Amino acid sequence: EAQVTQNPRYLITVTGKKLTVTCSQNMNHEYMSWYRQDPGLGLRQIYYSMNVEVTDKGDVPEGYKVSRKEKRNFPLILESPSPNQTSLYFCASSSGHGTGGYTFGSGTRLTVV
Amino acid sequence: QKEVEQDPGPLSVPEGAIVSLNCTYSNSAFQYFMWYRQYSRKGPELLMYTYSSGNKEDGRFTAQVDKSSKYISLFIRDSQPSDSATYLCAMSDNTNAGKSTFGDGTTLTVKP
Repeated sequence: EAQVTQNPRYLITVTGKKLTVTCSQNMNHEYMSWYRQDPGLGLRQIYYSMNVEVTDKGDVPEGYKVSRKEKRNFPLILESPSPNQTSLYFCASSSGHGTGGYTFGSGTRLTVV
Repeated sequence: QKEVEQDPGPLSVPEGAIVSLNCTYSNSAFQYFMWYRQYSRKGPELLMYTYSSGNKEDGRFTAQVDKSSKYISLFIRDSQPSDSATYLCAMSDNTNAGKSTFGDGTTLTVKP
């Protein structure tokens, strides 16, 4: 089944403790992206990647890191999480323009206390 | 002001009604227009994908793009309770397929 898999689904952590949210896609898509979704603010793009080793900032990159060492994986790293990063995070992948929009994962609900 | 503004809703309609969901945008470089549906506690799923101006139909769903007015719409005919969800519009320009800008979403409830 074609899908984007992100883990964990739920995570509660403390301020300052580094964490990684994993994301993997099995569709051989070039593009991958991370979004956060907050009430009243909608879906905002954090980072995206056009291919292996090629990444760029989205609208809200501060406090996040990403890497794209393999085509299928695009982990999101929070080096020192803060309470304002409490949010619902989505990973997504796409084969690019002309072939459709993004396929989204099921989401990771992160709480930073 | 946001680049993409979406009618906030919420919207409640009886089963069988025609639903109109709308977004406006300010960036004239946007060329690709998408509608996503998001059920509660799920990720968004792509519903419609259109390029430039015009209409696209898929079953009960019709997407319209009017680039001259910077206005896009999604119409749902014969709405069903299973259509109850949040609908998100999204757009991107020609230069960067990776970057998409989303509206805040409109929550639709279809009552039996």
